Amino acid sequence: DVQLVESGGGLVKPGGSLRISCVASGFTFTSYTMNWVRQAPGKGLEWVSSTSSGGVLTHYGDSVKGRFTISRDNAKNSLYLEMKNLRVGDTGVYYCARDWAVRSGFFDSWGQGTLVTVSS
Amino acid sequence: DIQMTQSPSTLSASVGDRVTITCRSNETISTSLAWYQHRPGRAPNLLLYKASDLQSGVPSRFSGSGSGSEFTLTISSLQPDDFATYYCQQYNSYPYTFGQGTRLDIE
Repeated sequence: DVQLVESGGGLVKPGGSLRISCVASGFTFTSYTMNWVRQAPGKGLEWVSSTSSGGVLTHYGDSVKGRFTISRDNAKNSLYLEMKNLRVGDTGVYYCARDWAVRSGFFDSWGQGTLVTVSS
Repeated sequence: DIQMTQSPSTLSASVGDRVTITCRSNETISTSLAWYQHRPGRAPNLLLYKASDLQSGVPSRFSGSGSGSEFTLTISSLQPDDFATYYCQQYNSYPYTFGQGTRLDIE
């Protein structure tokens, strides 16, 4: 079975940094584009970032561009999101999500999420 | 960025009802549209992709249609598990964008 398990969330002050992780199992991680999607409290889903199977191509949403960096370690079946200069508006549950197929653009497997809280 | 707008934002219905949710984009996206179901505290669940293709394992009471800039999700006969929030998502171009969601409540 496909499993995606996020970790690393927590409380951080505005302007601070945090790195969250996602460990994948049950599929060939190196074959899939991977994504981060978030949900702020009481709000809808927002796509944050994606990385190609080899990690060379990356894309970001406008609200995080220049502050967040997506990366992956295929040897460890792991996906990361390095978040800097965090804002209160970055608070939310961050989900790791797998593309349905190579660069399909939609997501067929999701983790349970990790909560990031940005507050003073 | 492509903006996705869903209507209605909230929908009240009963078990057995047929319901339809609409999703519109402000640019043409062909059929590059997916639908998700999201229950509180759980991971989102892919229902349909390419506007009308049913994801494996999803009940056939869910169906989708549309192309260009107007799309619909229909649930033919609501079941208790279907009361959740539904999102459309365009993947025609980056940045990918979701609709604001439609919350489906029990009437």
